[in-house]
Order: sequence, then structure tokens, then C-alpha cells
Amino acid sequence: SQQGEEDPQALSIQEGENATMNCSYKTSINNLQWYRQNSGRGLVHLILIRSNEREKHSGRLRVTLDTSKKSSSLLITASRAADTASYFCATDPRPGAGSYQLTFGKGTKLSVIP
Amino acid sequence: GAVVSQHPSWVICKSGTSVKIECRSLDFQATTMFWYRQFPKQSLMLMATSNEGSKATYEQGVEKDKFLINHASLTLSTLTVTSAHPEDSSFYICSALLREGSDTQYFGPGTRLTVL
Repeated sequence: SQQGEEDPQALSIQEGENATMNCSYKTSINNLQWYRQNSGRGLVHLILIRSNEREKHSGRLRVTLDTSKKSSSLLITASRAADTASYFCATDPRPGAGSYQLTFGKGTKLSVIP
Repeated sequence: GAVVSQHPSWVICKSGTSVKIECRSLDFQATTMFWYRQFPKQSLMLMATSNEGSKATYEQGVEKDKFLINHASLTLSTLTVTSAHPEDSSFYICSALLREGSDTQYFGPGTRLTVL
């Protein structure tokens, strides 16, 4: 089955810096979503970008999607210590109506140092 | 809105016993829910898709007789791990579709299962 791949696997930055995480996938998608997970907790939906969109913003988050390269990036600007978490990309791999099933990448563990 | 709860949040049981995990959509009706498992420092793996009033659809490699899923109402899906063994120890997370046609899944807080 398709598996997204995030890189880097781990990222450590100083508070105030920007954090960029990348995600690559293998097959055509209906949409790509980014989620955040604090240690030992459930997932929080951050943003969804559809296959016909190239960029999307939400607060300090900026997501890009390049379907020709089958890749996406998540940028968190002006990072805060509270942004420390694991970030996952997830794809709905079936185009058209969509199956609503998500395939998750391995995640990027972000540490923001105060 | 769109809150999903899970109960219990953690459970420790002896090998051979069965454990039931509940997933509830608190403020919306969910015809479709999903069950995932996550091993430490790894990603989420979809186990099954649960549809209200019908049998769950299991992913390849997931034993349906071991992981019983029941979606008896529009707000409740249950996962029962039967005859649990230490290798079943994991973090189990459910999610629910806000409504048909929505692409966004709302996730529960997860249940940590430890089998001794």
C-alpha cells in the first residue's frame, strides 16, 4: 500500500525560527492532509489541501503541494515551544469520490527549544 | 464541535483476556469510523473501516476474528481485542468522518493497551 514519507525524521530548532517538513507519496491522490500528534495523544487535524490546489495557509501554517513531484511541504513560521510534537502527512490515495481512507507517513518529530 | 472520545484511555490486562475499546462521536453522527494502531515511534496503520449497521472492512493482514468491530449506532463504534497477547500491546486510535462527503477525519485521543 502507498506510504507517505516525511523528512526529516527529526527536527530541532530554536523558538522563533521556521520549521519546514516535507512529505512524498507514490500514487495519485484526492487530497493530502497534515496532522499533529503530541506524545501519547491523539491526532489533531491541521490542514487539508486538495489535489487541484498548490498552496494553502492557516495561521502560522503554510502547506504546498506539487502533484508532479508527488510531494508536499508544511511550513510552521515563528515556531513556539508549544509546537513541539510529531507531524504526519496523510493521503487519501484514491481519486474521484475518494474512499476517505488515509495512509499516513512516518512522521517528523519536531522539537522547538525555548 | 466534532469531538471524538475514546474509553478507556489506557488499559492493562493479562494475556488471554479480551478488551473492549469504545469510540464515540460526541456532537455529531458518524456513519463511518476508522480504527488505527500505532506502535511506539511509528506511524498509524489503518486496521479497519467501520460502517454503521454493516460489517467492518478490514485491511490486509488484520485478523477480523481477533479484532472485533461493532458499529451499532451512529455515535459509537467498539473494538474488541480478543484473547489479547503481549504483541497486541499498542496505541489504538479511532477516527470519525464528520459527514458523508467530508474529507476530514476527527481523531479520538487514543487508548494505550498493555498486555502482560
